[in-house]
Amino acid sequence: GAGVSQSPRYKVAKRGQDVALRCDPISGHVSLFWYQQALGQGPEFLTYFQNEAQLDKSGLPSDRFFAERPEGSVSTLKIQRTQQEDSAVYLCASSFDRVGGQETQYFGPGTRLLVL
Amino acid sequence: SQQGEEDPQALSIQEGENATMNCSYKTSINNLQWYRQNSGRGLVHLILIRSNEREKHSGRLRVTLDTSKKSSSLLITASRAADTASYFCATGGSYIPTFGRGTSLIVHP
Repeated sequence: GAGVSQSPRYKVAKRGQDVALRCDPISGHVSLFWYQQALGQGPEFLTYFQNEAQLDKSGLPSDRFFAERPEGSVSTLKIQRTQQEDSAVYLCASSFDRVGGQETQYFGPGTRLLVL
Repeated sequence: SQQGEEDPQALSIQEGENATMNCSYKTSINNLQWYRQNSGRGLVHLILIRSNEREKHSGRLRVTLDTSKKSSSLLITASRAADTASYFCATGGSYIPTFGRGTSLIVHP
């Protein structure tokens, strides 16, 4: 399809387990964002890529969170030693422009992470 | 932290009625966007209004922006059951859009 895809859609992890969440943005989109969305809340910014460069990671909640986009397309968000407070929906969004969030973002369906 | 705050938090109406939700923000912006999120899904972009625009229309959607009051409103006319969703405003001052907590809209058939 032509939209943003994310995998897996659902992930159940035991506390302390490492997880990797994948995002396939729309082909040709320069900007890529990761967000964390808690139940009943709006998306909270985690990190931003322009092509392969991670320009902002100020929203990552701890050093257990790591994101990469090595070839400027697919991105992976990794969470090490998961904790229960990491349970949330992780959303990926991409946009065509080089000025990030000032233009329309296209969101994937999200990965719902539950840490037991 | 979330700059935009939507009001009301929840709205319940009958099909055919109009739905109005508001967004207030704190700092200056370049643009403001409205998104819809159906339960269990990602966000879908509805409309973008730039800081030099006052009103914008798209189908049954009407968005206004008052930069002096730092507020925006989203009007959905002739609502349908399929409009049931959460609606978020996102403000763009820098390259990172910040989202509010959303308005949960329920349209009863």
